[in-house]
Amino acid sequence: DAGVIQSPRHEVTEMGQEVTLRCKPISGHDYLFWYRQTMMRGLELLIYFNNNVPIDDSGMPEDRFSAKMPNASFSTLKIQPSEPRDSAVYFCASSPRARGSNSPLHFGNGTRLTVT
Amino acid sequence: DAKTTQPTSMDCAEGRAANLPCNHSTISGNEYVYWYRQIHSQGPQYIIHGLKNNETNEMASLIITEDRKSSTLILPHATLRDTAVYYCIVSYSSASKIIFGSGTRLSIRP
Repeated sequence: DAGVIQSPRHEVTEMGQEVTLRCKPISGHDYLFWYRQTMMRGLELLIYFNNNVPIDDSGMPEDRFSAKMPNASFSTLKIQPSEPRDSAVYFCASSPRARGSNSPLHFGNGTRLTVT
Repeated sequence: DAKTTQPTSMDCAEGRAANLPCNHSTISGNEYVYWYRQIHSQGPQYIIHGLKNNETNEMASLIITEDRKSSTLILPHATLRDTAVYYCIVSYSSASKIIFGSGTRLSIRP
């Protein structure tokens, strides 16, 4: 079990550029979550998917952010255009069972995004 | 989801038991108590969870009061590697909306 895999580990980009963060959940997990972490706001839930379908995207900050899950083994979080205030660590997590279960979340090691 | 209240920071001597409290007075009957920790620069790591009964695993013990309005995470023999931020969360399941609070920053002193 390789765990949740995120890429890249670090991303530095200039304001206005498009940024794409990638996540491969653990095989067989039904749920996928995207979180953002900053010193000021802590860990914020952005969006989560069940069986590749977005369930709750109320945490997505604005239209510049979009997330997709084209299949069970891959998800992307895109920011277009990026702004300096988007600088944060972005975490992806997956969970193995449907709603009603108490299985824990498994987190990746995150992508540290810096927008200059 | 119900909210939780945790102390901002705590410290503990190495080798001693670390007891981290959490208040969740508005918890619903079918909400679980989950504990995660985050070591610097890493993703949060699951520790333990419970519904009503006390739970123990290889990492920690979870003590939940009878009225379920509070709980305590116990690290029986703290080591320097247990220095981390510990999050207490209540949720219907891990597959629903899991909201992290500010957590408790635990420092283990040699």
